[in-house]
Amino acid sequence: AQTVTQSQPEMSVQEAETVTLSCTYDTSESDYYLFWYKQPPSRQMILVIRQEAYKQQNATENRFSVNFQKAAKSFSLKISDSQLGDAAMYFCAYTAGGGSEKLVFGKGMKLTVNP
Amino acid sequence: DVKVTQSSRYLVKRTGEKVFLECVQDMDHENMFWYRQDPGLGLRLIYFSYDVKMKEKGDIPEGYSVSREKKERFSLILESASTNQTSMYLCASTRLSPGTQYFGPGTRLLVL
Repeated sequence: AQTVTQSQPEMSVQEAETVTLSCTYDTSESDYYLFWYKQPPSRQMILVIRQEAYKQQNATENRFSVNFQKAAKSFSLKISDSQLGDAAMYFCAYTAGGGSEKLVFGKGMKLTVNP
Repeated sequence: DVKVTQSSRYLVKRTGEKVFLECVQDMDHENMFWYRQDPGLGLRLIYFSYDVKMKEKGDIPEGYSVSREKKERFSLILESASTNQTSMYLCASTRLSPGTQYFGPGTRLLVL
């Protein structure tokens, strides 16, 4: 069965600094999709970034970028120039696709941004 | 923008009550999902539906059932609520092709 592991339950970062959130996963599939979702306090879960496994290039969305290491089954999220609004729970997630789009989530990591 | 709405943000029920949680999406998405979110456990899939009247069990379906009579609406039913079903319930939807799941705001359910 596919599993997603976020080993750090909490992290903190100073405003304007860079922080990296780690995620590893286990799958026997060769084609799949990886996501980072953000859940701010008392607010809706939203997509931060996604990566298709067949793409060698790491995905980037403004201040958010990933380091996708397929052989190591690692998918870390880098947040540059951290802002107070980045404070949230972050979830790493995996899907093999294939029509059902079932997501397997990690347990989440709470990011605190200090002013 | 995709919009996923859930019928209640907060709900308090008594043990043994039948509870309905409703989710509506406005983007004609084929797939809809119900998750429960508990601290330290992340999100766990309860049920999902890939078409009207079609459903599949997720990882923790015990004590729950679902209904999807219309494409835009997916209901989660707790037949007889128990205290261990106190949790945050999240609904999500997505298209068939591997895509982003869009989430509702969540329903925080307290069962007394």
